[in-house]
Amino acid sequence: QVQLVESGGGVVQPGGSLRLSCAVSGFTLSSSGMHWVRQAPGKGLEWVAFIQYDGSNEQYADSVKGRFTISRDYSKNTLYLQMNSLRNEDTAVYYCAKNKPGMGYWGRGTLVTVSS
Amino acid sequence: QSALTQPRSVSGSPGQSVTISCTGTSSDVGGSNYVSWYQQHPGKAPKLMIYDVSQRPSGVPDRFSGSKSGNTASLTISGLQAEDEADYYCCSFAGSYIFVFGTGTKVTVL
Repeated sequence: QVQLVESGGGVVQPGGSLRLSCAVSGFTLSSSGMHWVRQAPGKGLEWVAFIQYDGSNEQYADSVKGRFTISRDYSKNTLYLQMNSLRNEDTAVYYCAKNKPGMGYWGRGTLVTVSS
Repeated sequence: QSALTQPRSVSGSPGQSVTISCTGTSSDVGGSNYVSWYQQHPGKAPKLMIYDVSQRPSGVPDRFSGSKSGNTASLTISGLQAEDEADYYCCSFAGSYIFVFGTGTKVTVL
């Protein structure tokens, strides 16, 4: 049974950093590309980042490029999102999602609030 | 990376059909076979309803169907039911491992 569980959210001041984790089970990260998607309060979905199954390619939305880094630890079967230089507009629920077909499995999300 | 354009809302009575459009460009929807659709109920995570333009995952009712013409993809819900009331988002591959979501559509069952 595929499961994804995000953690690491919280309240952080503007300019601060936070690392989100996504622990997966029921499959191995080495077999699947993975996404981070966010949703600001009352707003729509925004794709944030993608990493290919073998880690050979990663890509970011323009809004986070140069500030966020997606990575994975195969031994822990865990996906990460390192978020630096956080801004108020990064406040959102962050979801991890398994790629192919579509974004077929999602976690429940973790809330990140950027506020002074 | 501009969001794909969806109508803000659509509505229909139980049993009717509704269609949600998702308009992009030749760089995303028009040039990709990787268009997917997601249903999201309030406070819940999104759920995959359609992938690869018109494929339905196991467990998704066949009342849901997807298609694409040019730069516009569409999701049709036939035989509308009360539990279909939710927000719906399209998503397209836009090349170079970039993805883009639509603006979202609220479906109301009258």
